[in-house]
Amino acid sequence: DAEITQSPRHKITETGRQVTLACHQTWNHNNMFWYRQDLGHGLRLIHYSYGVQDTNKGEVSDGYSVSRSNTEDLPLTLESAASSQTSVYFCASNDEGALTGELFFGEGSRLTVL
Amino acid sequence: GDSVTQMEGPVTLSEEAFLTINCTYTATGYPSLFWYVQYPGEGLQLLLKATKADDKGSNKGFEATYRKETTSFHLEKGSVQVSDSAVYFCALENNNNDMRFGAGTRLTVKP
Repeated sequence: DAEITQSPRHKITETGRQVTLACHQTWNHNNMFWYRQDLGHGLRLIHYSYGVQDTNKGEVSDGYSVSRSNTEDLPLTLESAASSQTSVYFCASNDEGALTGELFFGEGSRLTVL
Repeated sequence: GDSVTQMEGPVTLSEEAFLTINCTYTATGYPSLFWYVQYPGEGLQLLLKATKADDKGSNKGFEATYRKETTSFHLEKGSVQVSDSAVYFCALENNNNDMRFGAGTRLTVKP
């Protein structure tokens, strides 16, 4: 079955370190998204991509970057981790041709920045 | 900008009770509306959706009706089960994959 996988599922790091969260999907979806989930805020969009070499900033993009070198992967990088980036991160994808934007989510990556 | 406001939780119910989780939205145009569910330790998954006014989405005994006049999309279930314990998110999509989520409502169903 096609799926979307995230790694690592749990990560503890220190302030100032670079961290990369991986996202890999096997649906061959053009669209991929990164969200963060925080209590009281729901999910907020960090970055998204509509295809290879395409990346766009979302609502809360400061301190994060993404790259899209192939269809399957959209890694999320925190250049210099801050305590405010402690959160649960979700990757999602959907089909460019979908009539409505139903998203397919990974299981999440819990990041703690000490 | 577009936004979603949903009933704050947590909500605790006994098994077989009636469930309502309120959701209202602010948007220009004619958004599509969604309810997603997140079970413990998992990612979100689509529960139901409606793409135009007066549409009713339904799945697993849950229902929600797209009410344009009240800008609402309330989630209901007539008889909840312990297995329905999860966090429920209301969401809207207006322009080409710009999905906006509410803050989520945690539901706990006790036997």
